[in-house]
Amino acid sequence: DGGITQSPKYLFRKEGQNVTLSCEQNLNHDAMYWYRQDPGQGLRLIYYSQIVNDFQKGDIAEGYSVSREKKESFPLTVTSAQKNPTAFYLCASSGEFDQPQHFGDGTRLSIL
Amino acid sequence: QKEVEQDPGPLSVPEGAIVSLNCTYSNSAFQYFMWYRQYSRKGPELLMYTYSSGNKEDGRFTAQVDKSSKYISLFIRDSQPSDSATYLCTMFSGGYNKLIFGAGTRLAVHP
Repeated sequence: DGGITQSPKYLFRKEGQNVTLSCEQNLNHDAMYWYRQDPGQGLRLIYYSQIVNDFQKGDIAEGYSVSREKKESFPLTVTSAQKNPTAFYLCASSGEFDQPQHFGDGTRLSIL
Repeated sequence: QKEVEQDPGPLSVPEGAIVSLNCTYSNSAFQYFMWYRQYSRKGPELLMYTYSSGNKEDGRFTAQVDKSSKYISLFIRDSQPSDSATYLCTMFSGGYNKLIFGAGTRLAVHP
């Protein structure tokens, strides 16, 4: 089955700790994205990548970092500089940048 | 003013009702329009996708776009309890080169 796999489903972060969220897709899509979803707000774009070894900041990139070493994978690191990391994080991909995006089932990050 | 306004609900309807979900937007440069459905603790899934003004139908779902009024709607006929979810309206902005999401409307269909 083609799709996007995010892991883990739930993640807890201690103060001062960096954590990495995994996103893997087998749709052969070039573009990948990370969003943050908070209650009562629309999805906000953190980072996106249109091609391997290239990525761009979205609207709320501060405190986050990404890499895109393989077409299939786009991990997101939530660093200790992100002071309010508790949220639902969604990874998405699309064939071309202006095409509809397909989403994974998210990772819920909480602070311990 | 937000670029996309969407009533958060919750909207509660009886099974079999016709549901109307709506969004307004401010940027006339938005190029195409989508509706996503998101179940609790899941990622959004694409329901409808359209470029132009007018109606697009898919089974019990109809998407309507009125570019002159900057207004889009999703109609659900014969609503089912399985339609209970949050519905997100989404638009692609070539100028910003990204998707813009509404905050979502929570729908509950009760038997």
